[in-house]
Amino acid sequence: GESVGLHLPTLSVQEGDNSIINCAYSNSASDYFIWYKQESGKGPQFIIDIRSNMDKRQGQRVTVLLNKTVKHLSLQIAATQPGDSAVYFCAENNAGNMLTFGGGTRLMVKP
Amino acid sequence: DTAVSQTPKYLVTQMGNDKSIKCEQNLGHDTMYWYKQDSKKFLKIMFSYNNKELIINETVPNRFSPKSPDKAHLNLHINSLELGDSAVYFCASSHDRGSLNFGNGTRLTVT
Repeated sequence: GESVGLHLPTLSVQEGDNSIINCAYSNSASDYFIWYKQESGKGPQFIIDIRSNMDKRQGQRVTVLLNKTVKHLSLQIAATQPGDSAVYFCAENNAGNMLTFGGGTRLMVKP
Repeated sequence: DTAVSQTPKYLVTQMGNDKSIKCEQNLGHDTMYWYKQDSKKFLKIMFSYNNKELIINETVPNRFSPKSPDKAHLNLHINSLELGDSAVYFCASSHDRGSLNFGNGTRLTVT
């Protein structure tokens, strides 16, 4: 699902499938990008980051892809689990110490 | 130990009142922030502060003011509360331009 500012899109996947969450960022000068996961009643938690000199970075079960040409960021979650159910945000750092967040995507994992 | 802690977790108050939310971080980070999350989960930066510089998002009403007694604390004071101030407020900290560590939020309800 694409992250937009006006509503919260939802991505529903079957447990065990792979998930792909997309994000369009706004500033071509942004040089650092982060994905956050927010569970109900909690603050956003860091998942993975990527700098603009890279186009792919892998973590444990997660991969972030960056396409600077079209200002697009994606988060891939392998073998999605019920514990992955949350709202996911991309964030960009374009100047100073300010992180700007995208609108978020709700991931629902069906058992 | 909680890295970024904010109190209270819930705050219910009437219009026109003045209230404060406290935030403390034990990570030794040099920059702290306040974010506002609305009912659609959109996260908006309000302030960025380190010992050198306060950066204010120009859209934040001047009824909101951050106060930092020391490097580990950044409190948020809100004067003359309005219904539209109802939201979840998150404190966060970071080192330089690194990723943010968030607290678990304060849900403010103005009646």
